Amino acid sequence: DAGVTQSPTHLIKTRGQHVTLRCSPISGHKSVSWYQQVLGQGPQFIFQYYEKEERGRGNFPDRFSARQFPNYSSELNVNALLLGDSALYLCASSWGLAGGSTDTQYFGPGTRLTVL
Amino acid sequence: QQQVKQSPQSLIVQKGGISIINCAYENTAFDYFPWYQQFPGKGPALLIAIRPDVSEKKEGRFTISFNKSAKQFSLHIMDSQPGDSATYFCAASPGYQKVTFGTGTKLQVIP
Repeated sequence: DAGVTQSPTHLIKTRGQHVTLRCSPISGHKSVSWYQQVLGQGPQFIFQYYEKEERGRGNFPDRFSARQFPNYSSELNVNALLLGDSALYLCASSWGLAGGSTDTQYFGPGTRLTVL
Repeated sequence: QQQVKQSPQSLIVQKGGISIINCAYENTAFDYFPWYQQFPGKGPALLIAIRPDVSEKKEGRFTISFNKSAKQFSLHIMDSQPGDSATYFCAASPGYQKVTFGTGTKLQVIP
């Protein structure tokens, strides 16, 4: 079975540009979450989507936005890129939101974003 | 605000030894405590997890010990192997979502 897939694998942008990252959840999973992992640190929660609705947001500026599509795939958009946005962006999927071990999150390999 | 504190930052253990990583949390709303293993260039992979209604959970060589009153939990890796060399993250969440991660422990198991 395919796990969580993310594209692209690597991306280089310059300050002020916009970036779109994509995530395909495990088949049957309806929830997608996004995390930012700066080098040497633990991942930090950015967004959670379930059934195409935002169900949670972390402490990130409005330059960060996301959406979920009818097929449960998701996009993370970051506007006006800053040097500090350089990080590994992780997508995680789960079947639902809470209530049992079936709602455990499974992470993709991430997209490495470098902002110059 | 760091809600999950993890130590040590790095750990070197000899093959066959016991690796111990400790974490402490502040938010009493947390009720799910997973540990993730991350290899370079990969996303975190769930290793083992515990709910606060039990004090210990064992899966193979990996054991979580949980102290609800102290708001602390730890990961023990028995008979550590070179293949266990990775970065380990403790984490906590209310339910299974919006996971808050610790800062990570880089484990090196030497032959």
